[in-house]
Parts: sequence; C-alpha cells; structure tokens
Amino acid sequence: QSALTQPASVSGSPGQSITISCTGTSSDVGGYDLVSWYQQHPGKAPKLILFQGTKRPSGISYRFSGSKSGNTASLTISGLQAEDEADYYCCSYAGYSTYVFGTGTKVTVL
Amino acid sequence: QVQLQQWGAGLLKPSETLSLTCAVYGASFSGKYWSWIRQPPGKGLEWIGEITHSGIPNYNPSLKSRVTISVDMSKNQFSLKLSSVTAADSAMYYCVRGPVDNSFHDWGQGTLVTVSS
Repeated sequence: QSALTQPASVSGSPGQSITISCTGTSSDVGGYDLVSWYQQHPGKAPKLILFQGTKRPSGISYRFSGSKSGNTASLTISGLQAEDEADYYCCSYAGYSTYVFGTGTKVTVL
Repeated sequence: QVQLQQWGAGLLKPSETLSLTCAVYGASFSGKYWSWIRQPPGKGLEWIGEITHSGIPNYNPSLKSRVTISVDMSKNQFSLKLSSVTAADSAMYYCVRGPVDNSFHDWGQGTLVTVSS
C-alpha cells in the first residue's frame, strides 16, 4: 500500500483556477469512486472538502470540484482566493477496509 | 456538532507503547466508525486504522502487527495503542469520525507524540 502521488506544489494568482492531481493504482483510485480531499492550514487539523470524488460537505464552497480519469483523481479550485493557500491531501479507499492518503500538495496564492 | 477530545502521553522512549484516548461528544457513538490518523512533522497523512461501532478493528497493513484500536461504548471513547515505538512513530496523532461515506469528517485537535531516548 503506497502513498498516492501528488505534486509537491501548485501555485496560481487570485481568480485563477488550479488543478491538483492524485495518482494511484487500479487497487485504489482506479478501482473505486471513493476519493476524498482535505485542506489543511498550518497548525490545524485537516478539513474534508470533497468526498466520493465529487461531493461537497455542507458549507464547502462550490469553487472546489473533483473528477477522475483512470487511476488519477483531480481537485480543481476555481476563483482562487488567498484563504485557499494551504496543504491539500487526497485519500482513497484501497480495499479490505483500508485507506491510503496522498503525499500532499502545497498550494500557494501568488 | 460532533466534537472529539483526545489525550495521552506526548513523550515516549523507544520500545515503549503509545497510548491515546479520544472522547466523543455531540454524537451517538453507536452505529458509526472511528479512526486514527497520524502525520509526522512536515510530512503527509497516514491512516492507522478504524474501529466499527460493533468493536471490530481494521488496520493499516504496514502497522497491523503493532496496533490495537479499541472502543468503550459506555464512555463514548475509543483508544489507540501502538507498541514498540521508534523515532519513526513521532507524529501528530488525530482521532477522527469516519470513515463516513468513505471519508473522514470530524477531527480531534491532535496529540503530538515524540519518541526520543
């Protein structure tokens, strides 16, 4: 069970859209539509922003959206805002009641 | 509003057993799943394991030989024990409500555990 692969960093200017990829295998990301995404600000606990690939919990901005193609899931943040600067992690169900997280991506708002 | 409050020893010596407990407030404990997730300083998240409402645990295969997760439904609490710790087990440990819809919804405040001789 290896960590899912994410880019170490992604940056964008306010108002732009950015996309973070999350690459796994057919045993995790590709095998299930069960990827979730988390936002973590420095010194804080992670916060769920998407689940089951595309669903937003109550209170999460529509600017966050998800998709998947093959073994790669993606998180898109549209209309980038200063408050979106944080670390982002994907997580996938990996079968047999286990879960695997991504390596994490630092988003910088220029 | 679910709240999770966790506690446990923050400084351990190599080979000791890590022990953390998490109390759940504002939600019925039964019928739900509860997990532990950790994060080494400056690094990513790692799912440690979960316990079902019926007390059945599931563990990360890489930690399975050293991990025990248990539940005390009478106190609305669940616990983590990790044996034979090394410096590699130094991390922030979070107790979490979930998986719910295969995701982790509510997180405790975290407990920083340092393993050092």
